[in-house]
Amino acid sequence: GQQVMQIPQYQHVQEGEDFTTYCNSSTTLSNIQWYKQRPGGHPVFLIQLVKSGEVKKQKRLTFQFGEAKKNSSLHITATQTTDVGTYFCAGHQASGTYKYIFGTGTRLKVLA
Amino acid sequence: DTGVSQDPRHKITKRGQNVTFRCDPISEHNRLYWYRQTLGQGPEFLTYFQNEAQLEKSRLLSDRFSAERPKGSFSTLEIQRTEQGDSAMYLCASSLGVFGPGTRLTVL
Repeated sequence: GQQVMQIPQYQHVQEGEDFTTYCNSSTTLSNIQWYKQRPGGHPVFLIQLVKSGEVKKQKRLTFQFGEAKKNSSLHITATQTTDVGTYFCAGHQASGTYKYIFGTGTRLKVLA
Repeated sequence: DTGVSQDPRHKITKRGQNVTFRCDPISEHNRLYWYRQTLGQGPEFLTYFQNEAQLEKSRLLSDRFSAERPKGSFSTLEIQRTEQGDSAMYLCASSLGVFGPGTRLTVL
């Protein structure tokens, strides 16, 4: 079945440093979503990527969808303490299913 | 407040009891997902509704789990004969990934 892996599992950065998490799917995706979940909270939708090679930016966050639509990345420039949380990707397989498969998540800690 | 509400927020039950959770999605969203999340893991897909039709159900879901969405509005998720392994956060999400706050289930 479809699997979605994320690396790294954990990342500690000093405030102001950059951060990147990578998401890899075992199957081709029709689209991919990114979420942020704070400790004790629920996943909060950040963005959806649909097109091959797509790049989208939200302030300090840059999202990329690979050309083969099997991988994606989230890059945060100049992290802030408010960026703390776990970042999940969720992939929708290209055909035959409605479900999103969530990645294993990357837990980000930002040290002030 | 995301616009998706879930009730109850917490449920403690004894093994073998039945429990039912409710999700009220954003009214104009016709898609509804149920997920289960355990500590340190990503949400795991349980089932998907489009309006009132249940279009997909996880093969991992045993027959103790059932979900309904009458009239395509709110949805319920029932777990019969709960087991300790059912302890988790049960999350509901509507279209475009809008998640509710979840129901935390603890089975003693």
